[in-house]
Amino acid sequence: AQSVTQLDSHVSVSEGTPVLLRCNYSSSYSPSLFWYVQHPNKGLQLLLKYTSAATLVKGINGFEAEFKKSETSFHLTKPSAHMSDAAEYFCVVGSSDSWGKLQFGAGTQVVVTP
Amino acid sequence: ETGVTQSPTHLIKTRGQQVTLRCSSQSGHNTVSWYQQALGQGPQFIFQYYREEENGRGNFPPRFSGLQFPNYSSELNVNALELDDSALYLCASSTEGLAKFEQYFGPGTRLTVT
Repeated sequence: AQSVTQLDSHVSVSEGTPVLLRCNYSSSYSPSLFWYVQHPNKGLQLLLKYTSAATLVKGINGFEAEFKKSETSFHLTKPSAHMSDAAEYFCVVGSSDSWGKLQFGAGTQVVVTP
Repeated sequence: ETGVTQSPTHLIKTRGQQVTLRCSSQSGHNTVSWYQQALGQGPQFIFQYYREEENGRGNFPPRFSGLQFPNYSSELNVNALELDDSALYLCASSTEGLAKFEQYFGPGTRLTVT
């Protein structure tokens, strides 16, 4: 079975400083991993995805994530936080089943202060 | 290109009642997945429909059921509502094969059971 653990439930950063959201995964095979963002009262938006190609994945809005098999991690980073980055972020693993079930972490709430 | 739409936006029901939620998939997508997101938690997979058949199911009781129509739109039905069914219900559309994990989410339906 696959699972993800988001190591921080809340992260607070100042505008213009780096953002780091930590995610560890558990999988018996090479996983497909994703980061989604959810702004208040909005649906989920795909930030980036890892599907066994390059280990450093670039996404939208300046976010990137690095797949580290040895550490079973897929941390999300952004060099400089913007006020609009305040949202809930979910680390997600795709199931090994043929039908594409997504398994979400518990989420990390990001607060950006001026 | 039309995105994923869901209706209604909000719904209030009484315990024991039945509810139907609707989802229109993104143009070109033939697969619909439904997720339940309780307050403060990550979305949980309910089930997926592909070519009008249930294609996979999460850990939800049979009173959660669904349909997919020839135009690939979908319904989620919940019978005998319980207080714990209060949540945001998200629908996501996708295609099969290599793109199965590229799921595009609608804004959700907020269900409150009193």
